[in-house]
Amino acid sequence: GAGVSQSPSNKVTEKGKDVELRCDPISGHTALYWYRQSLGQGLEFLIYFQGNSAPDKSGLPSDRFSAERTGGSVSTLTIQRTQQEDSAVYLCASSSATASYEQYFGPGTRLTVT
Amino acid sequence: RKEVEQDPGPFNVPEGATVAFNCTYSNSASQSFFWYRQDCRKEPKLLMSVYSSGNEDGRFTAQLNRASQYISLLIRDSKLSDSATYLCVVRSGGSYIPTFGRGTSLIVHP
Repeated sequence: GAGVSQSPSNKVTEKGKDVELRCDPISGHTALYWYRQSLGQGLEFLIYFQGNSAPDKSGLPSDRFSAERTGGSVSTLTIQRTQQEDSAVYLCASSSATASYEQYFGPGTRLTVT
Repeated sequence: RKEVEQDPGPFNVPEGATVAFNCTYSNSASQSFFWYRQDCRKEPKLLMSVYSSGNEDGRFTAQLNRASQYISLLIRDSKLSDSATYLCVVRSGGSYIPTFGRGTSLIVHP
């Protein structure tokens, strides 16, 4: 079956612009996670969605970051007024809560802020 | 102390070698354990879950030691294609958010 998809695969934007990153999880997976990974660094948790519950936003680095998940499926991560330190790969993962929380990652969006 | 710690390596081994990685975790309430591999500039991919009794998948063996709070990954008969970063992942009971280690880099050379 189809895996997790993300778009765009690459995004170059100017400092101060807003960007939207999209994630389409595996069908039927109720849990969705956003992470970011800077070059040579580990994964940094950003936000978690589970079904229709309120998301866990504890990892969002600033109020410039927000995310939503419509209809329990597709998610959009929005970064407002981008800064150069936002440059990273943004990874989305989905998980079925009935499968021991194994996560399946999308290919990521490589964001470059110039 | 970090929640999940791994030796960053790199581990540089010849083809056919056996190599083992350890990962320690700090939260004794941890319940779920995984190994992921991440190739350069790619997303992490689930390699295997780690079960209490230990489990094996081909050349890969994962073990859990709850008393000492570590998990291990053993790779036998290393292949060039095993070259990657191996991420240790731990989820604590009551939390839906797993914690990723920084990863251990493996380089298998001819």
